[in-house]
Amino acid sequence: GAVVSQHPSRVICKSGTSVKIECRSLDFQATTMFWYRQFPKKSLMLMATSNEGSKATYEQGVEKDKFLINHASLTLSTLTVTSAHPEDSSFYICSARPPGTGGLNEQFFGPGTRLTVL
Amino acid sequence: GQSLEQPSEVTAVEGAIVQINCTYQTSGFYGLSWYQQHDGGAPTFLSYNALDGLEETGRFSSFLSRSDSYGYLLLQELQMKDSASYFCALGHAGKSTFGDGTTLTVKP
Repeated sequence: GAVVSQHPSRVICKSGTSVKIECRSLDFQATTMFWYRQFPKKSLMLMATSNEGSKATYEQGVEKDKFLINHASLTLSTLTVTSAHPEDSSFYICSARPPGTGGLNEQFFGPGTRLTVL
Repeated sequence: GQSLEQPSEVTAVEGAIVQINCTYQTSGFYGLSWYQQHDGGAPTFLSYNALDGLEETGRFSSFLSRSDSYGYLLLQELQMKDSASYFCALGHAGKSTFGDGTTLTVKP
């Protein structure tokens, strides 16, 4: 199946700093990628849809100035958590859907990034 | 909007069959998907139903009834490695909304 990588897998940072997370589709081109946030024992909450060559579409309640998304190429999307605070500590997961799947809802997920803000 | 309900926990023994239900409310959707997630890992795709009926993939089957706003994931011949969280997800408007997940514990 399609492979999606994510880097870093874990990051610990001080409050007030910014953290960048990369999501790459390794063997397919993804015009659309998704960024999710997951709390322990909880569901995946969609934060935004990352569109190659255009602005990301954010879900209601997600601060676009805090969670900056850039989809610079067909294989790379980045999420930057700006001025991170302890409440931003979470598991961030990206996903991508290979082209041609249309309405098929099969998404391939990256391994996730565990962010801890001290 | 979209909302999905799943049982929070299910326990079964090795070799048994277990069914995880998912009821939903939606104003329109493409289909219902199921994902498996082990602790600390990424979700992996299991099955997808665009139409009513049963889809079978090995030991896993998924069912959808649009008229009843209901679906389920059926796991047969349970193995210890099937202990994980299982999420149903509605596909709509080019994105997905996930249920809160069901934690399946398989006991020897």
